Amino acid sequence: DAGVIQSPRHEVTEMGQEVTLRCKPISGHNSLFWYRQTMMRGLELLIYFNNNVPIDDSGMPEDRFSAKMPNASFSTLKIQPSEPRDSAVYFCASTASATNTGELFFGEGSRLTVL
Amino acid sequence: AQSVTQPDIHITVSEGASLELRCNYSYGATPYLFWYVQSPGQGLQLLLKYFSGDTLVQGIKGFEAEFKRSQSSFNLRKPSVHWSDAAEYFCAVYSGGGADGLTFGKGTHLIIQP
Repeated sequence: DAGVIQSPRHEVTEMGQEVTLRCKPISGHNSLFWYRQTMMRGLELLIYFNNNVPIDDSGMPEDRFSAKMPNASFSTLKIQPSEPRDSAVYFCASTASATNTGELFFGEGSRLTVL
Repeated sequence: AQSVTQPDIHITVSEGASLELRCNYSYGATPYLFWYVQSPGQGLQLLLKYFSGDTLVQGIKGFEAEFKRSQSSFNLRKPSVHWSDAAEYFCAVYSGGGADGLTFGKGTHLIIQP
């Protein structure tokens, strides 16, 4: 079975550029989560969607960050303009909310480096 | 709100030795508990989970964890570690109610000595 698929796996960009990270959740999962992982702050929940609707975006650090989920099989996390402090690994995760157990299935992450 | 504490940031164990990673949680009721493993350059993978019932749960890769309500702990154990077990281990607690009910610990970095 295909797991959560993220792209790109690695992204190196210059400060001020727009960055778009992509995620395809596991088929049948209706909840999707975006996390950011850094050495200093660990895993941080940025935003999560339920049935394609953003439920809680309180973790989004600032207006430079935006996320969309136009359909059940695709989500994007966009940073515009990017800054060096955005360098991190960004994880997408999905789950079937009907079971409501808190168990998440993670993608392999997108490592972002902003120079 | 719930919280998770993993008191050990780093642990070094010799290959073949036993392992115990500590996890303490704070929550008023019995939560759902998880251990995830993150190998270098990879995402988090579920090792095992506790929802209810037998307090000793078995997971993948030979790991087990024991839920102790009286100590608010959910420690991860393995009788004999392999070099491939070197990774970051995260304990997590879920109290229900959506994504804000899921809390991860800061992680424990496991180093395996030959």
